[in-house]
Amino acid sequence: AQSVTQLDSHVSVSEGTPVLLRCNYSSSYSPSLFWYVQHPNKGLQLLLKYTSAATLVKGINGFEAEFKKSETSFHLTKPSAHMSDAAEYFCVGGGADGLTFGKGTHLIIQP
Amino acid sequence: GAVVSQHPSRVICKSGTSVKIECRSLDFQATTMFWYRQFPKQSLMLMATSNEGSKATYEQGVEKDKFLINHASLTLSTLTVTSAHPEDSSFYICSARTPNGYTFGSGTRLTVV
Repeated sequence: AQSVTQLDSHVSVSEGTPVLLRCNYSSSYSPSLFWYVQHPNKGLQLLLKYTSAATLVKGINGFEAEFKKSETSFHLTKPSAHMSDAAEYFCVGGGADGLTFGKGTHLIIQP
Repeated sequence: GAVVSQHPSRVICKSGTSVKIECRSLDFQATTMFWYRQFPKQSLMLMATSNEGSKATYEQGVEKDKFLINHASLTLSTLTVTSAHPEDSSFYICSARTPNGYTFGSGTRLTVV
């Protein structure tokens, strides 16, 4: 069985400061891992995905995530937050049986 | 890249009526389609897995007679919410397995009044 845990339900940062959204996974095999963003009343948008080609994955809008097997983590980061980054972020694990979603992290950007 | 087109994006229906949601894979063959549901402030939850040409596999607690899933072709899967009630109001989203991972539809916001 696979599980994905997003450690923070809400994260608040000031505009221009770094963003860190934490995600831990458990899996009996090498997972596919994704970060999705969902803006209000919009569908999910893929930010980036890890599929074992490289441990540091660069995504859209300046986001990146590093797969750390020793820590079973796949944290999402961005050097400088922008107001448009305010949204709900989902860490997702992919396996043969489908997708396992984290509960989501609501990112708040303070002006 | 692999794209799944989901329609409608929003639908409002009266209690007791049925609503059909379609997901089409536009440039690949989707042998497997996953249907998710998202309640407010909660994560997406898998409802069922549909495989082309066979019966869908429903997750525990999901009523198969209420949420009818049809995957008659390699490019189309449908979810029909039958006899909808206000508690069925939710965000429904499909996802298909592609050669490179997964792709999502854009979601359907269902409101039952």
